[in-house]
Order: sequence, then C-alpha cells, then structure tokens
Amino acid sequence: EAQVTQNPRYLITVTGKKLTVTCSQNMNHEYMSWYRQDPGLGLRQIYYSMNVEVTDKGDVPEGYKVSRKEKRNFPLILESPSPNQTSLYFCASSFFGNTEAFFGQGTRLTVV
Amino acid sequence: GQNIDQPTEMTATEGAIVQINCTYQTSGFNGLFWYQQHAGEAPTFLSYNVLDGLEEKGRFSSFLSRSKGYSYLLLKELQMKDSASYLCAAHGSSNTGKLIFGQGTTLQVKP
Repeated sequence: EAQVTQNPRYLITVTGKKLTVTCSQNMNHEYMSWYRQDPGLGLRQIYYSMNVEVTDKGDVPEGYKVSRKEKRNFPLILESPSPNQTSLYFCASSFFGNTEAFFGQGTRLTVV
Repeated sequence: GQNIDQPTEMTATEGAIVQINCTYQTSGFNGLFWYQQHAGEAPTFLSYNVLDGLEEKGRFSSFLSRSKGYSYLLLKELQMKDSASYLCAAHGSSNTGKLIFGQGTTLQVKP
C-alpha cells in the first residue's frame, strides 16, 4: 500500500531534549516536505527536499534540522526543543513539488 | 510579501452548492492546490490548477485566475461527509518546492 509513515504519532518531551521524528515513503517520490499546523495559522512549511542530499528552508525553519540521505526517508530533528514548538507536524511526499502530495498521519508533539 | 487569504468558516446545507474563495499574493507563482482535511486527519489532495479556468472533478470544481490572484473551490450536491477544512496552497515557483498554505476554511454542512 502506497503510504507516508511518520513516527511517533504522539510525543511529550521536555525542553532541550533532542528528538527526531521519522518520515518514510514507499512511492519513490523525489519531493518530501515537513509542515507544522497550528490553530489559526494553517499549515506552514518547515523544510523541503527536492531530491537526495538536497534540502531547503521553508517558511519556518528556525529550531529544526532535516536530512535526506536516502530517497525514502526524511527525518525532522529538533536539537533543543522549546515549548513554542508544540504543534501538529505533518510529513508529505510527491513526485515533484507541483504534483499531488501524500501526507503522513501526523505527529502531535508537546514540549513542556 | 507572500499571503494567502481564505474565509475562516462557512456553513451550508446538505444538497446545496458552496464556493470557497482563495486570494493569493506570492513572489513567483506556478500553480494552486486545494486539499481537504477532516478533523484529526491528514490533508488529502483535491486539485491543482496551473492554467486559468475551471477544472471539474465530479462534485468538486476548482477555478483559477492568475491575473487576479484568485481561486475558488466549488462543491456541488453537498453531503454531510463534506464537512471538513479546505486548504488553499500556492506553489511559488517551478524551481523550488516552496508551498504557501492559507489558514484553511472550515466548512460545516447542516442537514
């Protein structure tokens, strides 16, 4: 089954404790992206990757890192999480940036 | 600056037609997406418009006017299951993967 898998689905952590949210897709998509979704603000793009070893900043990249060592995986890293990073995070993939995107089920992160 | 505007909430009656508007201002423009998102779920793709005009897909149609920076999503024969948020997103440039989303329009369909 074609899908985008994010883990974990829910995470509560403390300020400053490094964490990684994994994202994997099985559709051989070139393009992958991370978003955060906050009430009243909609989806905001954090980082995107147009191919292996190619990543670029979206609108809200501060406090986040990503890597794209293989085509299928695009982990989101929070080196030192802060409470303002409490949010719902979505990973998405598509063949290109201008084609239909498939979203993972989301990761609800709470930083206390 | 870059900005996408859409109404926050709309209400409509089952069986009716509803139009959800979206205006955008972006530095560079390649096309416009519409996604549907049910509460607690991930967004799912509805349409992508590159050229001016109306594209129809069953009960859903999407329109784009590049000169006016305007799009709308038209939902016909509304069903209760159409109650969801509808997200408009502008693809800034074919050379980048940047996508700018509006805040979403929450549509409530009433019997």
